[in-house]
Amino acid sequence: EDQVTQSPEALRLQEGESSSLNCSYTVSGLRGLFWYRQDPGKGPEFLFTLYSAGEEKEKERLKATLTKKESFLHITAPKPEDSATYLCAVQAPNDYKLSFGAGTTVTVRA
Amino acid sequence: DGGITQSPKYLFRKEGQNVTLSCEQNLNHDAMYWYRQDPGQGLRLIYYSQIVNDFQKGDIAEGYSVSREKKESFPLTVTSAQKNPTAFYLCASTLTGQNNEQFFGPGTRLTVL
Repeated sequence: EDQVTQSPEALRLQEGESSSLNCSYTVSGLRGLFWYRQDPGKGPEFLFTLYSAGEEKEKERLKATLTKKESFLHITAPKPEDSATYLCAVQAPNDYKLSFGAGTTVTVRA
Repeated sequence: DGGITQSPKYLFRKEGQNVTLSCEQNLNHDAMYWYRQDPGQGLRLIYYSQIVNDFQKGDIAEGYSVSREKKESFPLTVTSAQKNPTAFYLCASTLTGQNNEQFFGPGTRLTVL
């Protein structure tokens, strides 16, 4: 069974204080690893897809990286508007479903 | 604007009632999904459908039913058999054969009174 563990559960940052979120996964093969951002009371918003170890993707202050066992979401010089819950999900080959972690809730204080 | 719409945003149900949550997409996506989100837990898959008139159970299908009569629509019925239905319900869709990113609707919060 696919398993996704995200850490920490919550992260409080000062504006400008860079940090990283971790997503550890166990899956029989990897079709893709997905990062989403979710604001309170809203649906998840797609951020990145990573397919193979060594791959990196960036969007504004966010950078996602992938190894064979985990992915990191780096937040560089965060702003209060980066406050959200960040979700990680994996997809196995020949499988249409995503297996999600519980998320990391990030709070950035001005 | 292309996207996924869910209605209603908030829904209250009395015990013993069936309720139906709406999900519509105009993205021309083939596959549609229903997830349930509870505090402190990851999203859990209820049902999914890859093509019209076909759907499969996800990990927690008991107490739920779906239909897929049109490509654009994938309604979810929460039946009285679902013992703990209070949750945030999310609908998603994706183009099969592509990068498989799932795009989500805004969600429906269901509360049992």
